[in-house]
Amino acid sequence: NAGVTQTPKFRILKIGQSMTLQCTQDMNHNYMYWYRQDPGMGLKLIYYSVGAGITDKGEVPNGYNVSRSTTEDFPLRLELAAPSQTSVYFCASSPLAGGEQFFGPGTRLTVL
Amino acid sequence: SQKIEQNSEALNIQEGKTATLTCNYTNYSPAYLQWYRQDPGRGPVFLLLIRENEKEKRKERLKVTFDTTLKQSLFHITASQPADSATYLCALDQGGKLIFGQGTELSVKP
Repeated sequence: NAGVTQTPKFRILKIGQSMTLQCTQDMNHNYMYWYRQDPGMGLKLIYYSVGAGITDKGEVPNGYNVSRSTTEDFPLRLELAAPSQTSVYFCASSPLAGGEQFFGPGTRLTVL
Repeated sequence: SQKIEQNSEALNIQEGKTATLTCNYTNYSPAYLQWYRQDPGRGPVFLLLIRENEKEKRKERLKVTFDTTLKQSLFHITASQPADSATYLCALDQGGKLIFGQGTELSVKP
């Protein structure tokens, strides 16, 4: 099992550009999450999904969108990149609501 | 307002000693609490989960306590090793989602 994979590992965007951060898990987990982590800070929940076709906002959803068309994939879309979105983004999955979460390696995004 | 606080200062200890990390929270009533380890440049890795009706949980050299009256969890690493050096995050359940603290950086010196 590869677990949770994320692409790309690094990306530099210009202000106003858009991009999609990819997240895939091969553990057949229903629950998936997107977090951002700023330096010296904990993780902030952006969006989460309890299964294919179901998504909901987390603590900091503004400027982001998600979709969940399959159990395996949970992409995060940034439409108009802003410097405030410079961060490290982690995707995670879990077999249970509130259970142990399995994290991907992260995507380091810089918006200039 | 709701708040989760972990030791803000980095913790430096000598190899072989016990490391104790603190997680305090206010205005939450979590059904359970989790601890994760995060190494630089990597995603967090799950360590332990403790439920509100459990006072203590152990896994090898790790021990977690959960006091819902004090609104505090303590995370202990006994016989610490340099390989235990990392950032440790506590996370509280909020309706099936996790709310993370900012983490405590632990450095174990040989």
